[in-house]
Amino acid sequence: DIQMTQSPSTLSASVGDRITITCRASQSISTWLAWYQQKPGKAPKLLIYKASTLESGVPSRFSGSGSGTEFTLTITSLQPDDFATYYCQQYHTYSRFGQGTKLEIK
Amino acid sequence: VQLVQSGAEVKKPGESLRISCKGSGYTFTSYWISWVRQMPGKGLEWMGRIDTSDSHTNYSPSFQGHVTLSADRSISTAYLQWTSLKASDTAMYYCARHPSYGRPAPFDYWGHGTLITVSS
Repeated sequence: DIQMTQSPSTLSASVGDRITITCRASQSISTWLAWYQQKPGKAPKLLIYKASTLESGVPSRFSGSGSGTEFTLTITSLQPDDFATYYCQQYHTYSRFGQGTKLEIK
Repeated sequence: VQLVQSGAEVKKPGESLRISCKGSGYTFTSYWISWVRQMPGKGLEWMGRIDTSDSHTNYSPSFQGHVTLSADRSISTAYLQWTSLKASDTAMYYCARHPSYGRPAPFDYWGHGTLITVSS
């Protein structure tokens, strides 16, 4: 069973900031990792898949990197619409999500 | 592409329930449907998946034996079922699709969620 550890659990930032969220897998998942954004009362939205491929329509200020067991989601120049909760997901073996990172306005 | 889920339910402990997820705008049998639980104020938990072409299932160990996944490909609908609900089943439940062929794939389309409340 592959465990996913996401950090931090909460992140406070301001509009215009650059932020990074980290996700670690308990064993290698190659690049079978996705990032999702979820806003209150809404379904998650796919942002990035295969660790670094931007889903169609997602702004270029979002980027992902990593392989094996260490991954990052970076958002440059935060916009008001970006304040939400972010989840990583491994889909190498079935599926599992990280615990989530709540991005709050400072 | 749409995944339309059935409406919110309020049930009592011990009752049974089946909720649905109807796919449209794509070839239903070319995609798995996964189910994801989100308890109030908590994160996303993958429950299991069903291959809609042959109803083959895989369950997370945390949910194996507690829920049953099924599908009716003739009406492009997947189901999540409980035989005896508990208060701890109170949550939002999402369905999501991912391709059942080729390489592993993320969940690209999600249903809007079905809120289940279990209370005496």
